[in-house]
Amino acid sequence: GQQLNQSPQSMFIQEGEDVSMNCTSSSIFNTWLWYKQDPGEGPVLLIALYKAGELTSNGRLTAQFGITRKDSFLNISASIPSDVGIYFCAGQVPDNNDMRFGAGTRLTVKP
Amino acid sequence: DAGVIQSPRHEVTEMGQEVTLRCKPISGHDYLFWYRQTMMRGLELLIYFNNNVPIDDSGMPEDRFSAKMPNASFSTLKIQPSEPRDSAVYFCASSPPGGSTDTQYFGPGTRLTVL
Repeated sequence: GQQLNQSPQSMFIQEGEDVSMNCTSSSIFNTWLWYKQDPGEGPVLLIALYKAGELTSNGRLTAQFGITRKDSFLNISASIPSDVGIYFCAGQVPDNNDMRFGAGTRLTVKP
Repeated sequence: DAGVIQSPRHEVTEMGQEVTLRCKPISGHDYLFWYRQTMMRGLELLIYFNNNVPIDDSGMPEDRFSAKMPNASFSTLKIQPSEPRDSAVYFCASSPPGGSTDTQYFGPGTRLTVL
């Protein structure tokens, strides 16, 4: 019910290409977050979304809170080698504010 | 500003031994979270505290796991006795006051290997 399905699991792209990944659920969430995790480090918050339909950018990153509150996507434009890492979505459950995390999308950028 | 501090960064121990992981949250944050990350299960919330009080420990796998937060600047996660299936990266995260748990700042993690 409150599980997040994140896709794709992994992506191999060429430097300069755009990237799109998404998270879906059968449940609604109050907040959607996108994190990036570098090897050997903890996740770092990239973008937080608080309202259905909200579209937010952070540099080359753009994320949207789905209008149904059951999904979110993250786009990265003009990828660069330092974009390599694992990207996680997370959603905040309405009734208890718990966070649920997706399984992650592993991004590899070839120079 | 210092972020969330975790120690040790790596821990290798033998099955049956007690393991204690430590966390210092960001100063002024009043939420503290313990997570476990594995390839198979991803990021799992184990327990979280608000103002040093455990709020939800439903993610703690079993009685071998315990967590404490004796003051606002320190928390421990203890595993006793440890088992090989406990091998994972354990993250601590903290959130600022304001009633929201969404903006969590993660520490660098402790990579635990139980042989």
